[in-house]
Amino acid sequence: EPEVTQTPSHQVTQMGQEVILRCVPISNHLYFYWYRQILGQKVEFLVSFYNNEISEKSEIFDDQFSVERPDGSNFTLKIRSTKLEDSAMYFCASSPPTGLGKEQFFGPGTRLTVL
Amino acid sequence: KNEVEQSPQNLTAQEGEFITINCSYSVGISALHWLQQHPGGGIVSLFMLSSGKKKHGRLIATINIQEKHSSLHITASHPRDSAVYICAAPHYGGSQGNLIFGKGTKLSVKP
Repeated sequence: EPEVTQTPSHQVTQMGQEVILRCVPISNHLYFYWYRQILGQKVEFLVSFYNNEISEKSEIFDDQFSVERPDGSNFTLKIRSTKLEDSAMYFCASSPPTGLGKEQFFGPGTRLTVL
Repeated sequence: KNEVEQSPQNLTAQEGEFITINCSYSVGISALHWLQQHPGGGIVSLFMLSSGKKKHGRLIATINIQEKHSSLHITASHPRDSAVYICAAPHYGGSQGNLIFGKGTKLSVKP
């Protein structure tokens, strides 16, 4: 069964460093999302992406964040200069192109630890 | 903007018990998601439902669109069902787009 994959599973970085989190969505999906979950808190929406551009972003998704679909298969989230408060689990999700109520399929997550 | 509330926050059950987790939301929607988060943090989609009831194995999800309420039931619960169960609804209502998540219900099933 096709699934969303994410790499790495765990990333440790120093404050101020750039990190890139990678996701491979399910191959025929066209809608892509990044969510994050700070430890002990609920999952929060960061950004959605469709047709090679951001369709919506939350107030969390400031200038330090960017997303890209560089090669038609990968979907990346870049944090330019990490802060301690960026430590969280980051989930990628994708949705198929058609159908009412597009189900979102989640990747296993990347745990980001900023020291 | 949708708001999603879940209850209970924590639930401890004995193996074999029937479990019910509730979810309510504030903005009318036509599809709601139930997700399971494993102790390691990974999220798995259990159901997306827009009306009535869906069943998968021992899991049953129901939704009442008019009352803005959904329930997740687990029959004959087992220790391997121990996880956090999360409901999520489209942020702006309807059936699509980014999701707003509940805080989750942490279920612990004792042998």
